Amino acid sequence: DGGITQSPKYLFRKEGQNVTLSCEQNLNHDAMYWYRQDPGQGLRLIYYSQIVNDFQKGDIAEGYSVSREKKESFPLTVTSAQKNPTAFYLCASRLRQGADSPLHFGNGTRLTVT
Amino acid sequence: KQEVTQIPAALSVPEGENLVLNCSFTDSAIYNLQWFRQDPGKGLTSLLLIQSSQREQTSGRLNASLDKSSGRSTLYIAASQPGDSATYLCAVDGGSQGNLIFGKGTKLSVKP
Repeated sequence: DGGITQSPKYLFRKEGQNVTLSCEQNLNHDAMYWYRQDPGQGLRLIYYSQIVNDFQKGDIAEGYSVSREKKESFPLTVTSAQKNPTAFYLCASRLRQGADSPLHFGNGTRLTVT
Repeated sequence: KQEVTQIPAALSVPEGENLVLNCSFTDSAIYNLQWFRQDPGKGLTSLLLIQSSQREQTSGRLNASLDKSSGRSTLYIAASQPGDSATYLCAVDGGSQGNLIFGKGTKLSVKP
């Protein structure tokens, strides 16, 4: 089955540690995205990539980093510089930017930092 | 700057009722509008995508309409079922930098 796999589902870290969230897709999509979801805030874009080896900052990129070395993979690192990292993180992808290209989501990773 | 609003934030209806969820946006220059469903603790599931040149899309008991000039979209759910209980989100794609702008969602509860 084609889809987007995010792992792990739950992640716990101590403050001051970097942590990497995995996102893999087998949909052959060019564009991939990372969103953060907080209660009452809606989804906010962290980073996105429209092609391998290229990515752009979203609205809340500070304290995060990404890489896009392979088409299928778009890992997100939450660094110790992120002031409030506890949240639900969602990875998404779509075939391309365009009018007929729906966005598909993974099942998310819930990160808790204490 | 594009803003997307969904009202009401929560809705409770008895099973079998037809219902309408609303989504409004401030900038009519959009590529498309997409409706999603989110179950608790899960990712978003795409329901319908309406391109800017289209007026509506249908999938089973769901029908989504788009009126770009007034900045509105509605999601119509026919004969609601308890399994329809979830949060429904709309998102508009303005084409700028490939980013979709999401509303905060309407939490729907269908009572048996």
